[in-house]
Amino acid sequence: DQQVKQNSPSLSVQEGRISILNCDYTNSMFDYFLWYKKYPAEGPTFLISISSIKDKNEDGRFTVFLNKSAKHLSLHIVPSQPGDSAVYFCAASLNTGKLIFGQGTTLQVKP
Amino acid sequence: DTAVSQTPKYLVTQMGNDKSIKCEQNLGHDTMYWYKQDSKKFLKIMFSYNNKELIINETVPNRFSPKSPDKAHLNLHINSLELGDSAVYFCASSQGTGGYEQYFGPGTRLTVT
Repeated sequence: DQQVKQNSPSLSVQEGRISILNCDYTNSMFDYFLWYKKYPAEGPTFLISISSIKDKNEDGRFTVFLNKSAKHLSLHIVPSQPGDSAVYFCAASLNTGKLIFGQGTTLQVKP
Repeated sequence: DTAVSQTPKYLVTQMGNDKSIKCEQNLGHDTMYWYKQDSKKFLKIMFSYNNKELIINETVPNRFSPKSPDKAHLNLHINSLELGDSAVYFCASSQGTGGYEQYFGPGTRLTVT
């Protein structure tokens, strides 16, 4: 029973363009959502988060959008840079701190 | 300064052995976690400790035992290792439980032969 899904295993984008990574969830009790970036042989690095009471959060080139009615969140990266090439995980949290991760999307940004 | 550190980074051992993975955080966080990333790359929580108290214990075999000597450390001890235990194990910490981002260590790749 996968409560958090990232349906696109991979995404390829040209440098300078927008990258849009998507995530769907099923549990309406999730109250906090996060995006992590992961390079090979390293731990996940926190990128950006959003509380369930908001619909948008922005931090530099990264913006996360939350659509609670659709149980969908997305991460926008503008402009995309080659250094953004990594695996991106979305995660949803319950108030216990338990994070439930999606299976990840590999982003490749081409120069 | 590394915020969340784990040792060792790689661990190769034989079936039936007992091994430990150590985790330390210098962020002053109250809550620490262990996650397992399996061969399909899914990251799943195993345990969570808040102020040295166990608060999350997923359906993990009791061969796995977390130990928290203090708030800055959460070690993972695994008895009678099995082939299926081969995975990457990540330690993480956060300021509190709900509503806080978690910071991850670099991971320990465990290979059981």
